Formats: sequence, C-alpha cells, structure tokens
Amino acid sequence: EPEVTQTPSHQVTQMGQEVILRCVPISNHLYFYWYRQILGQKVEFLVSFYNNEISEKSEIFDDQFSVERPDGSNFTLKIRSTKLEDSAMYFCASRGQQGNQPQHFGDGTRLSIL
Amino acid sequence: QKEVEQNSGPLSVPEGAIASLNCTYSDRGSQSFFWYRQYSGKSPELIMFIYSNGDKEDGRFTAQLNKASQYVSLLIRDSQPSDSATYLCAGQSGGSYIPTFGRGTSLIVHP
Repeated sequence: EPEVTQTPSHQVTQMGQEVILRCVPISNHLYFYWYRQILGQKVEFLVSFYNNEISEKSEIFDDQFSVERPDGSNFTLKIRSTKLEDSAMYFCASRGQQGNQPQHFGDGTRLSIL
Repeated sequence: QKEVEQNSGPLSVPEGAIASLNCTYSDRGSQSFFWYRQYSGKSPELIMFIYSNGDKEDGRFTAQLNKASQYVSLLIRDSQPSDSATYLCAGQSGGSYIPTFGRGTSLIVHP
C-alpha cells in the first residue's frame, strides 16, 4: 500500500537554528498537509498545500514557517529561528482529489529543540 | 470555534469485550468524520471514515454517526490487547477540507 514517507525520523537542533523537515506524499495525491502534535496534546493543523501554493493555514503557521514543493515528489516544511516550544512531532499528510477523502499520515519527525 | 470533544479516558475493557468510543462535535457544517488510531509515539493511522447518518461496519469496527445529535462513535468488537492505543476522532466540514481533531481517548484492553 502506498505510504507517506518523512525524513528524518528525529531531528535535534539548537534553539535559533533553522530546520527543514521532508515529506514524500503518496504519488497520485494532490493535497498536502503539515500537522504538529506537542507531547500529550492534540494534533494541530499547520498548513495545507495544493497546486503549488498554500490553500489554508492556521494561526500557528506564522512567518517562522514556510513550505515548499521543490520538485515533483518532495514537500518540505522549513522552520526558521527555532524556539524551545517548537519541540513536537511534525506529521505530513496527503489525500486524493475528492474533498471528503481521508488524509493519510506519514510516520512523523520528532523535533527536539535544545 | 470548531471543537471535537472526546473523553480522554483511559477506557479499560477486558479482552474479547466491545469497546465503545464516543465523540461529539460543535460544527453543524461538519460532513465527514474520521477515526484514527495512534500508538504512543507513532502517527495517526486511519481506521474508519463515515459521511452518512447510521452505521458503517468494517471487520471488527463499526462507526456510527448521528448528525442531529452531533455525535460519532466507534465500536470495536472482540477487543484485543493490540487495540490498546489512543483513538482520535476528527470532523471535517465541506467548506474547508481540514479535519479538526479531538484530544483522543486512550483505550486499554487487558488480557
């Protein structure tokens, strides 16, 4: 079964540094998402991406964050000037064409800011 | 503010019993509902989705939706210890295809 793949599985970074989290969505999916889950808390929506542009973003997704689809397969989340509170699991998800189709999640990247 | 509410649990059931997980939502515009299973430290894994009022069965799992009461549930029959996980309910409106997640209910199935 096709999968969403994410790299790295764990990223440890010094506060203030920039990180790039990578995702390869399912190949025939057109809608891509990033979510965050702080330990013990809800899965929180960050941003959705379609047709090479952001379609929706939450209030969490401020100027510190950016997304990019640099080629036909990868989808990246960049976090600039990382803060301690950015420590969380970051999940990439993708879905097919129809709006009510469920999203499929990658295994996540555990981001630890020191 | 769209909210999806779940009892955090833990819900503890003996092996072989039926586990009943419940979820309520505030947005009357929600049309699609999803149940995800999340093991500790892992990603959400889709279990079921339901769009219409009534029941939807898939193997040991049955999702139930009552739009009038704004209530969604997941029944797990013949519960197994491997079902022990956190179950996330998510609701999604037609206008914005972004699911709103509940906090999840922790299920413990003991032998």
